[in-house]
Amino acid sequence: GAGVSQTPSNKVTEKGKYVELRCDPISGHTALYWYRQSLGQGPEFLIYFQGTGAADDSGLPNDRFFAVRPEGSVSTLKIQRTERGDSAVYLCASSSGDTPNTEAFFGQGTRLTVV
Amino acid sequence: TQLLEQSPQFLSIQEGENLTVYCNSSSVFSSLQWYRQEPGEGPVLLVTVVTGGEVKKLKRLTFQFGDARKDSSLHITAAQPGDTGLYLCAGDRGSTLGRLYFGRGTQLTVWP
Repeated sequence: GAGVSQTPSNKVTEKGKYVELRCDPISGHTALYWYRQSLGQGPEFLIYFQGTGAADDSGLPNDRFFAVRPEGSVSTLKIQRTERGDSAVYLCASSSGDTPNTEAFFGQGTRLTVV
Repeated sequence: TQLLEQSPQFLSIQEGENLTVYCNSSSVFSSLQWYRQEPGEGPVLLVTVVTGGEVKKLKRLTFQFGDARKDSSLHITAAQPGDTGLYLCAGDRGSTLGRLYFGRGTQLTVWP
C-alpha cells in the first residue's frame, strides 16, 4: 500500500504476556518512529530508527520495551511482561528523514489493551 | 509534564463560528507542526511553521508561530462540521531528527 501500515489494529492481551506490534513504513523511507498515545493525551515519543539502527531510544519507558528494524524497512515493537499501564494506542510514523522538517506520515495505530 | 501546553482541551461550537486554539511552551522549537487526528486514525499533518512570526494560511485555517518560537496558534474561520476532530500541535527541538513533542490536543466539535 501507499501509506504506513500497522498490524494488528487491535490487540487484547493478558497482564504478563508478551506482545509484538508491527509497522510497515512507506517504501523507501529511511526514518521510522514509534509513539505511544494514551487516552486523552498526545503522542509520546518512544524510539527513532534511521535505517537499521536505533538512533534515539530515549523514549522507551523501561527495559520491557524493545524495538527492531533488522532490514531497514519493517519494524517490530516488542513488549515483555505487559502491564495494564501499557494499554494505549501505539503509533508508527515514517519519513524520508534526511533533512529537518521532512513530513512524517503516521499509520492508523495499534490499540493495545492489557487486561 | 507536557513540553507543549494546548488550550482549550475541549471546544464545542456552532457551525459558522470562529475559534482559536493555543499551543504554548517555555522551550524554543526549531519548528512547530499542527496535526488533525480522526478517531481510529493516525495524526495527519496540516502545516509546519519554521520562522518566528510566520503566518500560514490553509483555506479557512490560519497558523501563526510566535516571534520567540515558543508558541503557536491555530485560528479557524467559519467552522464547519467537517472541521470536527482532534487538533494536535507538535514541536521539533532540533535535537533528534524528526523527533516531535506533542501537546495533549484540542478536541473540536462543530455542530450543524
